[in-house]
Amino acid sequence: AQTVTQSQPEMSVQEAETVTLSCTYDTSESDYYLFWYKQPPSRQMILVIRQEAYKQQNATENRFSVNFQKAAKSFSLKISDSQLGDAAMYFCAYRSEGYRDDKIIFGKGTRLHILP
Amino acid sequence: DTGVSQNPRHKITKRGQNVTFRCDPISEHNRLYWYRQTLGQGPEFLTYFQNEAQLEKSRLLSDRFSAERPKGSFSTLEIQRTEQGDSAMYLCASTGHTEAFFGQGTRLTVV
Repeated sequence: AQTVTQSQPEMSVQEAETVTLSCTYDTSESDYYLFWYKQPPSRQMILVIRQEAYKQQNATENRFSVNFQKAAKSFSLKISDSQLGDAAMYFCAYRSEGYRDDKIIFGKGTRLHILP
Repeated sequence: DTGVSQNPRHKITKRGQNVTFRCDPISEHNRLYWYRQTLGQGPEFLTYFQNEAQLEKSRLLSDRFSAERPKGSFSTLEIQRTEQGDSAMYLCASTGHTEAFFGQGTRLTVV
């Protein structure tokens, strides 16, 4: 069974600085998706960024980028120029590309604090 | 289409009562998921559907829990004989081919 591990329960970063959130996963599959979701205090989960495993190029969305290391099964999120609105829980998630057993598995999350 | 909709947003019930939650997914999405989330934790998978077919149920889903998705549109999650340990946020999500889109959740409090 696939698992997703986030080893940092909480992190803090100074406003305008850069922070990296870690995620590792375990799978025997070669085709899958990885995601970072953000859950602000209002609690609706929002997609931050997506990575397809077959793509070697790391995904980027404005201030958010990932470091995808397929062989190491590592998928970290870098937030540049941190803003107060980035404060939230961040969840790393995995989804198989298979037709069946493609449920989305989440890590336990990292709470990110932004210090003004 | 405004996204995934869940109702009610909040539910307070007495222990032993039955509750039912509804999820309306994004209309063109054929996959629908239910998750449970407790404070400070990640979403725990409960069950999911491909159209009207229930593909998998988690071991977390006891016999008191049942989910349906008639006609492959909206879905309901029913909890019978609620217990205090059922208090949590219940999240619904739908997906096409890649990422999931979440509703705002139903917060259940069992007193």
